[in-house]
Amino acid sequence: GESVGLHLPTLSVQEGDNSIINCAYSNSASDYFIWYKQESGKGPQFIIDIRSNMDKRQGQRVTVLLNKTVKHLSLQIAATQPGDSAVYFCAEEDYNQGGKLIFGQGTELSVKP
Amino acid sequence: DTAVSQTPKYLVTQMGNDKSIKCEQNLGHDTMYWYKQDSKKFLKIMFSYNNKELIINETVPNRFSPKSPDKAHLNLHINSLELGDSAVYFCASSSFGHGGKNIQYFGAGTRLSVL
Repeated sequence: GESVGLHLPTLSVQEGDNSIINCAYSNSASDYFIWYKQESGKGPQFIIDIRSNMDKRQGQRVTVLLNKTVKHLSLQIAATQPGDSAVYFCAEEDYNQGGKLIFGQGTELSVKP
Repeated sequence: DTAVSQTPKYLVTQMGNDKSIKCEQNLGHDTMYWYKQDSKKFLKIMFSYNNKELIINETVPNRFSPKSPDKAHLNLHINSLELGDSAVYFCASSSFGHGGKNIQYFGAGTRLSVL
């Protein structure tokens, strides 16, 4: 079935270190990918996205890498801060399925001061 | 101004009751969604409406009925609530279908507890 999975359900890093959150997706027809951040008690918040015709995209302190060969997506957060503590989700979209986003299970990032 | 707002934020009710959750977006989007997030944080789409027309209807019990009076509103009505319906329900909206990216903007969620 369809699935977007994550290698690590929890990740603990020291403040100031870089964080890498990984995601595997299963639908080779997916052409658009998004990373979301969900803080406790809030809804998912858009962080960064990437289309399937790219393999890297950078934002402010965040970078998304896409490896279509192995269907793998990663989110890198530079100089992780306590405010980055949250659950991070990757999501894949199949445009032909009416824009349905399929979310991964989430990785909980904990930043130690 | 809150972009996607849903009410109520918390909903506690007895099994068998009927309840509604309301959602409104002021982003000018044509497409709105309902998601269910379980206790393990797994987020799964339930429905999607584009300009008041149903375009995604996942395998959801027919006790759940979405209603879109206009493109800025998508409400979720749930009949005969069951214990397993306890979850956090999120509304979202996007400009999908207009040639742009399908970045979905989420509300703060409604935590439904069925006793």
